[in-house]
Amino acid sequence: GENVEQHPSTLSVQEGDSAVIKCTYSDSASNYFPWYKQELGKGPQLIIDIRSNVGEKKDQRIAVTLNKTAKHFSLHITETQPEDSAVYFCAAVGNNRLAFGKGNQVVVIP
Amino acid sequence: SQTIHQWPATLVQPVGSPLSLECTVEGTSNPNLYWYRQAAGRGLQLLFYSVGIGQISSEVPQNLSASRPQDRQFILSSKKLLLSDSGFYLCARSGGPNEKLFFGSGTQLSVL
Repeated sequence: GENVEQHPSTLSVQEGDSAVIKCTYSDSASNYFPWYKQELGKGPQLIIDIRSNVGEKKDQRIAVTLNKTAKHFSLHITETQPEDSAVYFCAAVGNNRLAFGKGNQVVVIP
Repeated sequence: SQTIHQWPATLVQPVGSPLSLECTVEGTSNPNLYWYRQAAGRGLQLLFYSVGIGQISSEVPQNLSASRPQDRQFILSSKKLLLSDSGFYLCARSGGPNEKLFFGSGTQLSVL
C-alpha cells in the first residue's frame, strides 16, 4: 500500500519567514495529494490539494508543489504568521485509500 | 454547505463501559464516511469506512465496531471500553477515494 513520510517532524520559523514541509510517497500511481492543518483540539482542516496533472498550485500565502518523478510534494507557507502555528498533515491517494503522513508541528515565533 | 456533526466534543468513560459516538452529515447524499482515531501527538489512524448504508469496512482488528443505519449517519461503538481506546475520534466524509476528505470537529475520549 501507499507509504507517506513527512519531514521534518518539527519546524520552528520566525514570523514573516517562509516554512516548507516535504512529503514523499511510494505509490507512483497516486494522483491526489491534499494538505491538512490541525489546531489543538480541532479536526484537521483541508487547506490545499493538488492532482497529479499539475506541478504547482497556489492559494494566497500557501502553495503546494509536486514532483512526480521524485515522488515528493511540498507545502510552502510564505510570510508566516502566529496563526499558522499548527500540525500539518500531508496525504496521498494510493490503492483507493488516502494515506496520511505522521504530521509536522510548525511553530511560528513572534 | 456540507456539514459534519459530531458529538459529544469530550467524553470521559470508565473502563468496561459501553461507547456510542454519532456522526451525521448534511448537504450531501451517499457520501463515503470514515472514522479515524488520533492518539495524543500521533498521526491519523483509519478505523472504519463506509461507502453506503449497512456497508462497513474495518481497517484494524480492535475493540470497536461501526454501523451506518442511515445514509448520513455513522456510529462508532464499543461494548466494553479499554484504556487503550482513549484518543481523539474523528468522523470524515468524502465523495470517493480521490475526492476531498472533510473532517468533523472530533470527540476527545478519555477512558479511565
